[in-house]
This record gives sequence, C-alpha cells and structure tokens, in this order.
Amino acid sequence: DVKVTQSSRYLVKRTGEKVFLECVQDMDHENMFWYRQDPGLGLRLIYFSYDVKMKEKGDIPEGYSVSREKKERFSLILESASTNQTSMYLCASSDEETQYFGPGTRLLVL
Amino acid sequence: DQQVKQNSPSLSVQEGRISILNCDYTNSMFDYFLWYKKYPAEGPTFLISISSIKDKNEDGRFTVFLNKSAKHLSLHIVPSQPGDSAVYFCASSSNTGKLIFGQGTTLQVKP
Repeated sequence: DVKVTQSSRYLVKRTGEKVFLECVQDMDHENMFWYRQDPGLGLRLIYFSYDVKMKEKGDIPEGYSVSREKKERFSLILESASTNQTSMYLCASSDEETQYFGPGTRLLVL
Repeated sequence: DQQVKQNSPSLSVQEGRISILNCDYTNSMFDYFLWYKKYPAEGPTFLISISSIKDKNEDGRFTVFLNKSAKHLSLHIVPSQPGDSAVYFCASSSNTGKLIFGQGTTLQVKP
C-alpha cells in the first residue's frame, strides 16, 4: 500500500510566523503535490514536483514556497503566515495518473 | 474558469438506494478521470477511475460512466450504505500528471 505521511495533523500559528509542512512518501514516486482544500472550492494545487530539486507552480502559489531535496520528501513553506492561509493542506504523490494523499494538516493562523 | 464542475454541493439518499454523483468538464484534452472519497479531517482516498477509451468501469458497488460527447461523468453507488457518507471529488487529467478537481459533493446516506 502507498503510504503518504504528513508531519502534523493540526497546527496553530500566529500571523507572520514561518510555517513548515512536511510530507513523506514511501513508494519511490517521482511526482509530489501540495494542495489546499477549502469549503466549496475543492482541492487547489499550490506547487508540484516531478523530480528532486525540481518544482513547478500550481494554480495558487502566492505566499508559498516548496523544497524537494530528497525524492521521498516534499516540504511546503509559508514564509509569513496570514489568516487567509488557514486551511486544510493535503500532500499527494503519484507515479502515473492516480495520486495518493496523506491525511492532511489542518492549519489555523491567528 | 472552472474546468471541472460538480454542480450539486450535496445529495441525500436512503440506505439501500442508488446514489448518483455527477461531474462535468470542459477540456476535451482530458483523457483520464478519477473519483475520490473524503471523510472529515482525513485525506482523499482514491475510489475508481476511467480512461477516455472506455465508457464504463465497475468495481463492486461503484460504477463510473463517461459520456465524452457530453463531457460528463457520473459515479453510481449501489446499494448505498451509511458508511458511504462523505465528500466525493471528481478529478480529470490530460496526461500531464496534474489533476484538476471539482468542488466536491457531500453525500449523506440515511439509515
């Protein structure tokens, strides 16, 4: 079974803090993705990566950056958290068309 | 512009009956379609998929139908069970590895 893990299930941060969300997959997948899910908006792609040290902007990259130093690990960074970044953050990995998701991190920015 | 649309935010059905969830897309380049199921506070779980060369794919109680001319797909769940209550997302791909998701439909199956 594919396993995608995320470092935290719940996080509470203050406006202006730097936030790191970690994601690890154990299936040697080439592709990794970060989404945020908000009610009524579905899943929106923030960033993705097709290979180590490679990154591509998704549909809503503003206010975020990513890092992929190792194949199994993909990090999402909020440089200066803002209240409108309160959301559910989902990491996924894939080798073909089907993406497999982690459990999600619910981030609250106060 | 929303390329994948789920026009029904919610659906309620009785246990044992059929649940039909609908999804429309606009991009004719999409060639692979997926359904995911999501419980609150959990990540989406892959449910079933279909390639554009097919018009139907079945897996147990779940069947996905694809109508390419109408750019429409649907997920049928028969019989529906209370444990099927969740948010269902459809997603489409054009062989780029990226998925475009719909807004989701919340299904409630009443005992």
